[in-house]
Amino acid sequence: AQSVSQHNHHVILSEAASLELGCNYSYGGTVNLFWYVQYPGQHLQLLLKYFSGDPLVKGIKGFEAEFIKSKFSFNLRKPSVQWSDTAEYFCAVAPISGGYNKLIFGAGTRLAVHP
Amino acid sequence: GAGVSQSPSNKVTEKGKDVELRCDPISGHTALYWYRQSLGQGLEFLIYFQGNSAPDKSGLPSDRFSAERTGGSVSTLTIQRTQQEDSAVYLCASSSGSGVGNEQFFGPGTRLTVL
Repeated sequence: AQSVSQHNHHVILSEAASLELGCNYSYGGTVNLFWYVQYPGQHLQLLLKYFSGDPLVKGIKGFEAEFIKSKFSFNLRKPSVQWSDTAEYFCAVAPISGGYNKLIFGAGTRLAVHP
Repeated sequence: GAGVSQSPSNKVTEKGKDVELRCDPISGHTALYWYRQSLGQGLEFLIYFQGNSAPDKSGLPSDRFSAERTGGSVSTLTIQRTQQEDSAVYLCASSSGSGVGNEQFFGPGTRLTVL
């Protein structure tokens, strides 16, 4: 069965620290890849996505993610986090064979950034 | 409307009762999705509607779960004879089309607690 694994359930950082959140998926076919973020008290929103082309994609608020096909990974990075990045982050994949974005989510990573 | 809305925001019910959860998608969005987020887990796909096409119900966990979408807009997720394991946050999302390139916009969710 298709699945998405996020390696860290909780991450605590100080402001200005670098961030990398791991995401691996299990699916042999072609997928679209997403990172969603949920800030406290807010809706889930799209942070960035990868469909094709340059495997390094940039999203909002200085986030980026790199798709490494050979490793089935799509790790999220930010060089310097801010207190406002405190949120829960979800990695998701959508097999394109399904014809639509039937998203398969990871369990999420809660990030707490301390001033 | 400006975004996806869901009602109620919170629902507490007793085991064995039926519940209805409502989703109002963004105006003009033809695709609508329901997901469930159980404690400590990622979002789990439940059902997908696209226009007048037959819905993809492959994610519904049991025959106690059903959903409909009237007039291609509002959707209702019904859970019959609720069980404690149904306690979760139920999220609705909509997108402007069904293709894999269409971003899903999420609502605030309905937190269901089954006592």
